[in-house]
Amino acid sequence: DAGITQSPRHKVTETGTPVTLRCHQTENHRYMYWYRQDPGHGLRLIHYSYGVKDTDKGEVSDGYSVSRSKTEDFLLTLESATSSQTSVYFCAISESGSGLNSNQPQHFGDGTRLSIL
Amino acid sequence: AQSVSQHNHHVILSEAASLELGCNYSYGGTVNLFWYVQYPGQHLQLLLKYFSGDPLVKGIKGFEAEFIKSKFSFNLRKPSVQWSDTAEYFCAVGKAAGNKLTFGGGTRVLVKP
Repeated sequence: DAGITQSPRHKVTETGTPVTLRCHQTENHRYMYWYRQDPGHGLRLIHYSYGVKDTDKGEVSDGYSVSRSKTEDFLLTLESATSSQTSVYFCAISESGSGLNSNQPQHFGDGTRLSIL
Repeated sequence: AQSVSQHNHHVILSEAASLELGCNYSYGGTVNLFWYVQYPGQHLQLLLKYFSGDPLVKGIKGFEAEFIKSKFSFNLRKPSVQWSDTAEYFCAVGKAAGNKLTFGGGTRVLVKP
């Protein structure tokens, strides 16, 4: 399995509090991704990064921000958590992108189960 | 916007039965196609991928998938399932010149012993 560590694995917090999830990789892969997984929706991309300090929005980016100051770490922040952000969050990495000319699959971490009360 | 549809949300079958899961996508350009599996309580794992060439792709654990460009489909098949194939299966599409994957909603497969 790819060397991807997500922390924390579980978190319960209250509405309105800030939350930061961390994804750490040991593969030196360029691309990193944050998804949320909700029943019936599959995985939806929140943000992704194509290099240090280079990030872009996914389809469900509202209410989330990210930072990547080092190749190995990609942080996802909920500035003011809401109950609608209760979900399982997965980090993924890939050596290059997943578009036509960058045919590398994404490898996933074990997920963080986040509950916002 | 690009979308990926998995029409079967739940599938229940017995061991040794054949499995076929449908996946259709809406994007008209050239795409990369993936199937991932998520066993209970685990992360997603890559089953197989298609980038180009032979449209019949073989993956791990006896799975295969066929890309039919004219139908915008990438269906997953296994001739004889085992109880250990109980999992959720996700189809994903990556389009040209993009670095993002779009996932289908997933299909939960329950194999009864």
